[in-house]
Amino acid sequence: AQTVTQSQPEMSVQEAETVTLSCTYDTSENNYYLFWYKQPPSRQMILVIRQEAYKQQNATENRFSVNFQKAAKSFSLKISDSQLGDTAMYFCALIQGAQKLVFGQGTRLTINP
Amino acid sequence: ETGVTQTPRHLVMGMTNKKSLKCEQHLGHNAMYWYKQSAKKPLELMFVYNFKEQTENNSVPSRFSPECPNSSHLFLHLHTLQPEDSALYLCASSQMTGGLNYGYTFGSGTRLTVV
Repeated sequence: AQTVTQSQPEMSVQEAETVTLSCTYDTSENNYYLFWYKQPPSRQMILVIRQEAYKQQNATENRFSVNFQKAAKSFSLKISDSQLGDTAMYFCALIQGAQKLVFGQGTRLTINP
Repeated sequence: ETGVTQTPRHLVMGMTNKKSLKCEQHLGHNAMYWYKQSAKKPLELMFVYNFKEQTENNSVPSRFSPECPNSSHLFLHLHTLQPEDSALYLCASSQMTGGLNYGYTFGSGTRLTVV
């Protein structure tokens, strides 16, 4: 069975700082996808970044990047130059093959002015 | 209009009422999902539809009844709910190709309050 664990229920940083959110997972498959979703107060779950397990290169999207450690089953999200609009719940998620998306418990991130 | 649209955004209903949640996707995806998001709990998958056929019912009580008339529309019919059913209900869609699922697109959810 797939599991996703986010060990940081809440984090807060000052605007413009860099913050890293942790995620570990467990899967028996070799081919899978990992995701970070953002859920702001508007409630919509927004895809931030996606990593394909067979790619060694870490995915990046503007200020967002991941540190994907396949052997350690770790998938952390780094947000550089954090902005007030980054305040949200962040969910790490995993999907393998055609199976369902499995979410972690979420990390509430607050960016302070 | 693009993306996944859910209506209504907010719903308050009594325990004896019957109501329906609606989800529509404009992405050409072939799979749709209902998730329940309660406070301080992980997201719970409720139902999965692939090509209009229900492929998963995650032990959801029968007071929740899904309907998928076509691959673009998904409904969740509600009747005789309990206060503990109050939650955010999220709809999502995805494209499954060659046995691979590339990730979900979510709607903004319906905030349901059962009184």
